[in-house]
This record gives sequence, structure tokens and C-alpha cells, in this order.
Amino acid sequence: QVQLKESGPGLVAPSQSLSITCTVSGFSLTSYDISWIRQPPGKGLEWLGVIWTGGGTNYNSAFMSRLSISKDNSKSQVFLKMNSLQTDDTAIYYCVRDGGRMDYWGQGTSVTVSS
Amino acid sequence: DIQMTQTTSSLSASLGDRVTISCSASQGISNYLNWYQQKPDGTVKLLIYYTSSLHSGVPSRFSGSGSGTDYSLTISNLEPEDIATYYCQQYSKLRTFGGGTKLEIK
Repeated sequence: QVQLKESGPGLVAPSQSLSITCTVSGFSLTSYDISWIRQPPGKGLEWLGVIWTGGGTNYNSAFMSRLSISKDNSKSQVFLKMNSLQTDDTAIYYCVRDGGRMDYWGQGTSVTVSS
Repeated sequence: DIQMTQTTSSLSASLGDRVTISCSASQGISNYLNWYQQKPDGTVKLLIYYTSSLHSGVPSRFSGSGSGTDYSLTISNLEPEDIATYYCQQYSKLRTFGGGTKLEIK
């Protein structure tokens, strides 16, 4: 069945970078786009960016300068890298299968930015 | 960027009620509008896609409508398991979520 699972560091120091891996199963990354979404504590969902089936990317303009999304189709993995983290980047980060409609969500990985 | 506004951040209703949640876009989005439900444990599920199409497995008491810049989600006959936060999301130009509407039982 379709599954997405995020794995991240849990804790990141301020000004450092964040790397999260999303491993998918039950479908191919050559057939579906993947979006990254985050949710700060007590706040709403925020779209970060998307990697298309062909490997192109688009980002939320608010994060364009410090966000990068890539993937390895052969390993069924998608990678998020965000630079210069601050405390307000503390959030749960989700990878989502995105065919226009986001029909399958990972469980999310919690990231805390703190010294 | 397209902004999505859910003017009602929280809503209280009784079991069995008909509830409508609204969402507006900063420009026309040609019905490219989805609705999601987030339960208190954080689980997010797709409810409605392309304004009014019911996602597989979603109860028929959920329905969506709208056009242009204004859209709505209706829950008829509110049940206890519908207690959640509801988000709209546009995919006309990239993606944007609304701020969410938290539904509580009166």
C-alpha cells in the first residue's frame, strides 16, 4: 500500500541546516509529485515546496532562498534541505504525495530548533 | 502568490447540525480547491478535491461547492468523529493552504 515516512534529526541548533528524508513505497516517484508541508506548534499547515516527477522544483516564495528539494527515484527517496534555521522553524514536517490533490501524507517528523 | 482565507478560525456546533466552512482565494482559482481534515492527533486526510469531488472512503455527509474565488465545505448531520480542524488548499498556482477552521462540539 501507499506509504510515506519522514526521517529527520529531531533537534537542530539555530543557524544550522535541516535535512529530512522521505522514503516512499507503493508508488513510483516517476509517477507522482511530492510536496513538503510543515506545521508549527499550534498553527496551520504551510506548503514549502514541490518536486515534480521530472525532477523540477517549485518553492514557496517565503523559503526560496534557503530551501532545496531533491530526490533519488531509484531509492524512492525525496530530500528536503533548509538552511539557516531559526526558532520559528520549529514544526512538524510532512512529505505528501501530490497529484494536485494531496491524497497520502506521511506521519510527519518533529523538528525543534534550539541551542 | 495566491492567498487563501478562512475567515472563521473556530466554530461550535451541535451533533446532527449542518455546518458550512468557507474559504476565499485572493484571485480566481478555477475550482482547483481541495479540503482536508486534521484530527487532534495530527492525522491529515483529504476529504474533497477539485471543489466538489468526494475522495475515496469519505462519508457522503461531506460535500463541497464554490467557484471563482469563493468555496465552501458542508458537513451535514455532524457526528462526533468530525471534530477536527479543516483546511482548504488551492492548486491553481503552486499550492497554498487556508489558515484552518477548528470545529468543536457545542
